[in-house]
Amino acid sequence: SQTIHQWPATLVQPVGSPLSLECTVEGTSNPNLYWYRQAAGRGLQLLFYSVGIGQISSEVPQNLSASRPQDRQFILSSKKLLLSDSGFYLCAWSPLGGETQYFGPGTRLLVL
Amino acid sequence: AQKITQTQPGMFVQEKEAVTLDCTYDTSDPSYGLFWYKQPSSGEMIFLIYQGSYDQQNATEGRYSLNFQKARKSANLVISASQLGDSAMYFCAMREVFSGGYNKLIFGAGTRLAVHP
Repeated sequence: SQTIHQWPATLVQPVGSPLSLECTVEGTSNPNLYWYRQAAGRGLQLLFYSVGIGQISSEVPQNLSASRPQDRQFILSSKKLLLSDSGFYLCAWSPLGGETQYFGPGTRLLVL
Repeated sequence: AQKITQTQPGMFVQEKEAVTLDCTYDTSDPSYGLFWYKQPSSGEMIFLIYQGSYDQQNATEGRYSLNFQKARKSANLVISASQLGDSAMYFCAMREVFSGGYNKLIFGAGTRLAVHP
């Protein structure tokens, strides 16, 4: 069966520091991968999606970037965090050609 | 533009009773998909149920059923025999298909369900 992992689970970082969040998927090949952000008490906003290695598309302009160095690895990064980057970050995958997205456990990021 | 509306910020239900969570959508695409996810306090988004726009019958998954009324553009989630563990945030979402082979999900604002003993 397929599983999706995210780490770290929680992170507290000072403003201006770098960020690296990692997401990996097991048990499937060629998945579509997604990064979402959820502000407190709100719905999810799509940040990035990827249909293959090295293929990244951004939904909204922001202080973040994403990379996909391997088929089942998706990384969310920032060179300098802002206070507004605080939130709950969720990684998701969907099968190639599939409808449903399956989410990881998420990372809570607090920028101070 | 596609849009998902959940008008109930909070709902209460007695344990073992049924509850309906409302969701309306707006799209001009003839082909679309509707999803419901559950988000407990731990934060993980748990997929519950899916309904395709061409599906003739309402989707069901155990105690979850989707009341799909295409003409009204509504896709309400019905939870039967509520349990204390059903207390969570519930999000309705709609699939938007883009060229290049990926699906984007548009989420509603969510409904917080509290199940009382």
